[in-house]
Order: sequence, then structure tokens, then C-alpha cells
Amino acid sequence: KQEVTQIPAALSVPEGENLVLNCSFTDSAIYNLQWFRQDPGKGLTSLLLIQSSQREQTSGRLNASLDKSSGRSTLYIAASQPGDSATYLCAPLGGGNKLTFGTGTQLKVEL
Amino acid sequence: DVKVTQSSRYLVKRTGEKVFLECVQDMDHENMFWYRQDPGLGLRLIYFSYDVKMKEKGDIPEGYSVSREKKERFSLILESASTNQTSMYLCASSFGGETQYFGPGTRLLVL
Repeated sequence: KQEVTQIPAALSVPEGENLVLNCSFTDSAIYNLQWFRQDPGKGLTSLLLIQSSQREQTSGRLNASLDKSSGRSTLYIAASQPGDSATYLCAPLGGGNKLTFGTGTQLKVEL
Repeated sequence: DVKVTQSSRYLVKRTGEKVFLECVQDMDHENMFWYRQDPGLGLRLIYFSYDVKMKEKGDIPEGYSVSREKKERFSLILESASTNQTSMYLCASSFGGETQYFGPGTRLLVL
């Protein structure tokens, strides 16, 4: 059974810092890995999807990497802003189009 | 833009009541999903459907059933609500193994 761990569980940084969020998963037989953002009390917003054959995917200030063989993914956020404050979730996609979610990293970017 | 809507943002029900949560997507996605989200446990898959009238159990189907009579609509049914079903319920849809798009969530309180 796939298990997903995200470290750290919470993070508080000053505005402008570059930061890295970590995700590890136990079953490397995945089709892709998705990163989501969730604001308090809201649904999830998709940020990036990395196919299992890819190493990296970029969108604006966000860059996600995937090392499938070691079961790791990182989300890099450049020049963080207060509007980036949210919970970030990673989710590898396994058989049957099923996502398995980590419990997330709660990020706070302070002025 | 993909739009996934859920019938209610907040619901309060009594123990033993039958509860219907509805989800509608407008992008002709074949896959639809129901998750629940609880603090410390993350998102867990309840049921999913990959076609009209088709359904598959997720990780925690006990106490729930689903209905998919039309491609755009996926309903979650709590036959007899219990207090341990108090949670945030999230619906999602996708095409194949691509990005899952989430609705805004329904916060259900069972008294």
C-alpha cells in the first residue's frame, strides 16, 4: 500500500526566501506525481503534474522534481510571497487512477 | 477552465439521517472521485467511478454508497449518518491519469 510522507509538516519563512518542500513515497510504481495547494477551508488547486518519465516540471516560481527510483519529489518555491501561504500536498498516482495523498506541509510566508 | 461544483458548502445533519452529497463537473471527464479529509489523516479516497453506472471502492467505503447515472454527476450517499462521518468531503474529476480537479468541498457536521 502506498504511503506518502511530507516534511516538514509546517514551515514559516520571511517573504522573499527560496524554499523546498519534500515528499517521499514507498511504492515507486507510479504513473505521475501531482502537487496541489489548499487554502484553509477550500478545495485543492493543482499546481504541477510530473509524469513518471520526467525529472522536472516548472510553472512560474514553482519547480517540482521527481526521482521515481528513490521515491522522492521536491517542490521548490522561489522568492516566496505572503500569497503563497497555504498547505501544499503531494500525491503520486498509482494503479486505477488512484491518488494517495500526504498530510501536507503548512506554509506561512510572513511580511 | 474545468469547473467542479458541490451541492452544499456546509451541512448539518442528525445521526441516522440519510445524506446526499452531489458533485457536478462540466468537462466531460470520465473519472470522478469522492474523498474525505480529516486533520492528521489527510485525504482518503471513499469511492471512485470511471464511467456512468460504474463504481469502485476506495480505501474507506464503509458507511457510504455512490451513484453515477449521468457522466457529469457523481453522488455520495450516507445511508444512516453517524457522528464519525463528520468531515470535509471533496469531489474531484479527471480525464485518464491526468490532473484531478477538485470542487470547493462540503463541510458536514453530524450531531
